[in-house]
Order: sequence, then C-alpha cells, then structure tokens
Amino acid sequence: GESVGLHLPTLSVQEGDNSIINCAYSNSASDYFIWYKQESGKGPQFIIDIRSNMDKRQGQRVTVLLNKTVKHLSLQIAATQPGDSAVYFCAENSGGSNYKLTFGKGTLLTVNP
Amino acid sequence: NAGVTQTPKFQVLKTGQSMTLQCAQDMNHEYMSWYRQDPGMGLRLIHYSVGAGITDQGEVPNGYNVSRSTTEDFPLRLLSAAPSQTSVYFCASSRDRPRNTEAFFGQGTRLTVV
Repeated sequence: GESVGLHLPTLSVQEGDNSIINCAYSNSASDYFIWYKQESGKGPQFIIDIRSNMDKRQGQRVTVLLNKTVKHLSLQIAATQPGDSAVYFCAENSGGSNYKLTFGKGTLLTVNP
Repeated sequence: NAGVTQTPKFQVLKTGQSMTLQCAQDMNHEYMSWYRQDPGMGLRLIHYSVGAGITDQGEVPNGYNVSRSTTEDFPLRLLSAAPSQTSVYFCASSRDRPRNTEAFFGQGTRLTVV
C-alpha cells in the first residue's frame, strides 16, 4: 500500500541552529503534504502544508520543500528554540480528503540549550 | 474556544469490556476522524465521517464502531476490548474545503486494556 516514511527517527540540535527534518513519500497522487508537531502528552498541531504543484512554501520560521522527482519532503526550522522540541510528523492527503490523512512515523527533535 | 474535546483522558479496561470514547467539536466542522497512535508509529486512521449520518472505515477499523448523529459529536465504541487495542486515541475535525488541509486534534485518550 501507499506509505509516508521518515529518514531519521531522532534529531538533536543546539538552540539557535537550523533544523531539517526529512520525509519520503510513495503516493505520487497525493494533493497536499502537511507537517504536524506533537508535544508530549498533546495532540498533533498543524504547522504548514504544501500543495503538490509547489516546490517551496514558507511560514513563520519554517519552510517546507517538496521534491517530486525523488518523492521527498523536508521541514526546515530556522533558529530552533527549546519550544520546538517535539515529534514532527509528515502527512499526506489526496482528493481534498482532510479527514483521511496518512502519517509517517515521526521524528523526535530535541533542542539543547 | 474549546476546539476538539475528548473524554476520558485515561482509561483502563479489562479484556472483553466495552466502552465509548467521546469526541466533541465546537467549530462546526463537517469532517471528523479517529486515529490511534502506537509507540514509535505515526497515527493510523480508524474511522471517519464526512458529515452527520455518514461514516466510513479507515485503515484499522476492526473492533471499533462509530456513529455521527450530530455535527458536533463523533463517539468511538469498543465492543469487546482486547490488549491489542491498548493505544492513544486521537479525534480530529476539519473543514470541508479543498484548500484548507488543517485538521484540529483533541488531547487524546490513553487506553490500556489488561
């Protein structure tokens, strides 16, 4: 079946550095790719999404890059802060189905002061 | 602004018991979904609903039932709990807009089946 996966399960960075979290996907028919942040004991929280016809989208301190040639998605966090420590999931949906997300396994980001 | 509210937050069940996990949203969202999250894994879709009176199965529906009698509520029922259903359960809601992909999640229900 189709799947969304991650290259690295854990990432440790120093406060102030930039972080890059990677994700591989296999469903080339997906319309949107989305990044979620999950803090300990909480539900996932939407960060940013990118439509499949784009290759880059920027938000506040975050940038998502999409490379459809190699089916790769990345989330860049600028000037990483301790509050960014969390598990980050990439997810995909197809056909505008917001109710039917396929999640990757997640990357644990730890920010060291 | 409550968002998505799940109850209970924690629950311990004995094998074979039944229970209902509650989910309510106050954002008038058309779409609602249930996911389970197991250690070291992403979230997997159990059931979803695109509107009141309409439900469908997700990736891992066995052992669970749902109903959607109102826009606000989407309860998840475990008919006969099994240890394999030990997990953290998340309810999510979202709008019916092709350009809006944001799903709002509840705080989760941590279920242990012994």
